[in-house]
Amino acid sequence: QQPVQSPQAVILREGEDAVINCSSSKALYSVHWYRQKHGEAPVFLMILLKGGEQMRHEKISASFNEKKQQSSLYLTASQLSYSGTYFCGTGGGADGLTFGKGTHLIIQP
Amino acid sequence: DAGVIQSPRHEVTEMGQEVTLRCKPISGHNSLFWYRQTMMRGLELLIYFNNNVPIDDSGMPEDRFSAKMPNASFSTLKIQPSEPRDSAVYFCASSNLQGGYTFGSGTRLTVV
Repeated sequence: QQPVQSPQAVILREGEDAVINCSSSKALYSVHWYRQKHGEAPVFLMILLKGGEQMRHEKISASFNEKKQQSSLYLTASQLSYSGTYFCGTGGGADGLTFGKGTHLIIQP
Repeated sequence: DAGVIQSPRHEVTEMGQEVTLRCKPISGHNSLFWYRQTMMRGLELLIYFNNNVPIDDSGMPEDRFSAKMPNASFSTLKIQPSEPRDSAVYFCASSNLQGGYTFGSGTRLTVV
């Protein structure tokens, strides 16, 4: 089942913070986060493998709440390079990932 | 490492023609995935392989779609016959069992 991402789109000024949420109606065992720029392939950011785990990629971090079946991506002091579409993916391991519909992030100078 | 290599980058074909998309995964990765991306449906998992064996092809939309992985360094996705609604970007990705996915640059398919 496809995870649900919110919000669908975010517009920020450079230096502002944002949170992107990903939730699932199924039990989550792992969550992946990817960023895709226009016309390019998705790029892996981080994977969270167990409940409560927090990971960090540059100034982007993520948390995983296994009980609530959700994960959140935190973008701190956003930079122009953070613009793109962010996808969460659930499943993985021996199964293929199912991706959410994505959150479009626009950073303005 | 050159990453995941897909060919061709762009393909324009006429309805009814056979289309073959190719993928070379990262050496040492034991899982390979084929995804299709459209504005309407997002990223859809079509089929994936573990150690060259197809595990789940439930995402393949119709019998017109087929995929093979004859060895650890090569996979193909074939559409025969192609239809305009097959127009999309097709991505191949590879990974280790617990790792993140590395995507290829994709093949933009247009069926006219």
